[in-house]
Amino acid sequence: GENVEQHPSTLSVQEGDSAVIKCTYSDSASNYFPWYKQELGKRPQLIIDIRSNVGEKKDQRIAVTLNKTAKHFSLHITETQPEDSAVYFCAYDSSYKLIFGSGTRLLVRP
Amino acid sequence: DGGITQSPKYLFRKEGQNVTLSCEQNLNHDAMYWYRQDPGQGLRLIYYSQIVNDFQKGDIAEGYSVSREKKESFPLTVTSAQKNPTAFYLCASSIEAGVTNEKLFFGSGTQLSVL
Repeated sequence: GENVEQHPSTLSVQEGDSAVIKCTYSDSASNYFPWYKQELGKRPQLIIDIRSNVGEKKDQRIAVTLNKTAKHFSLHITETQPEDSAVYFCAYDSSYKLIFGSGTRLLVRP
Repeated sequence: DGGITQSPKYLFRKEGQNVTLSCEQNLNHDAMYWYRQDPGQGLRLIYYSQIVNDFQKGDIAEGYSVSREKKESFPLTVTSAQKNPTAFYLCASSIEAGVTNEKLFFGSGTQLSVL
């Protein structure tokens, strides 16, 4: 069935270090893989997305990589800052809807 | 980042009571969605609508109902059949129906609790 596994569930890093969150999905027909960030008490917001015709996409300190053969994709945040602390959700498209991962709570220690 | 408004922010439900959560968007988006968020479980899709007067069940539709009488409105009713309704409910919209490779715009959410 439709499923995406997201790891780790919590991640604590020192300010300035990198953070990596990984997701594995089940639908081989998926072509769109977004990442959403949800700060405490706020709505989720799209931070980056990738489509299946590329293997990597960068936007300043964040990047996403996609391996369609292995059906996994990852979010990379470099030079982490305290304002990066939030819950991050991966997602993929399946049958006209997005399937979300269970979320990763990232804490950046100053 | 307005454009999609949910109300109320907090809602309490008594045993056996139906309650309705409001979702309104002024973005002229075709598609609208309802997600339920529980701690540690991410976002689970309840219902979605791609066009006025049409909607489809998501993964956890039991105990919920929706309507889409107007393009800008997609209310969610939590019925008494939903035995564990306590959760954070998020409404979202996207520009085009039937196309999922698009950004979702989320509302600010409604926290529903059972008295």
